[in-house]
Amino acid sequence: KAGVTQTPRYLIKTRGQQVTLSCSPISGHRSVSWYQQTPGQGLQFLFEYFSETQRNKGNFPGRFSGRQFSNSRSEMNVSTLELGDSALYLCASSLASWNTEAFFGQGTRLTVV
Amino acid sequence: TQLLEQSPQFLSIQEGENLTVYCNSSSVFSSLQWYRQEPGEGPVLLVTVVTGGEVKKLKRLTFQFGDARKDSSLHITAAQPGDTGLYLCASKYNNNDMRFGAGTRLTVKP
Repeated sequence: KAGVTQTPRYLIKTRGQQVTLSCSPISGHRSVSWYQQTPGQGLQFLFEYFSETQRNKGNFPGRFSGRQFSNSRSEMNVSTLELGDSALYLCASSLASWNTEAFFGQGTRLTVV
Repeated sequence: TQLLEQSPQFLSIQEGENLTVYCNSSSVFSSLQWYRQEPGEGPVLLVTVVTGGEVKKLKRLTFQFGDARKDSSLHITAAQPGDTGLYLCASKYNNNDMRFGAGTRLTVKP
């Protein structure tokens, strides 16, 4: 059974640009959550999608957005990139929104220059 | 403020030593997960504990859930270099987002 797949693995963008990251969850999983991980802040929750609906949202500015498609694949978008957005962005899938066990992808390493 | 407090933040030991890391909260957990993350990779789920007082073993790793379900510990026996990584505890509060502790960064030297 394939795990969680995130693309791309690495990305370099310049300030002011926008970026879209993709996540394909484990087959049969309907919940996808996104996290930002930085050395200073650790793992910070961005948002969670279940059945194409955003169920929860973390404390991030509106420049961070996401969506989920009918096949449970999810994308997150960051507009007007800032240097501080440089981080490892992780996607996790769960069977359902109320499941406590999450399975992570390898992440996308975003560097903003 | 971290909802989940992990200690120690850093731990460097020699191969063969034993160690314990802790995860504490002022809130009661419905369940708690432990993950291990290696550099450049996503966290990998190690175990879920649910019942107060529960003990689970995974080879040389022993996980304990406090009786009051407010704390948990991870004990590693005879640590090996392959145990090196960031150990994270996590819990979902009231079916909301999953919250993570800041982690314990373990280095096991050969």
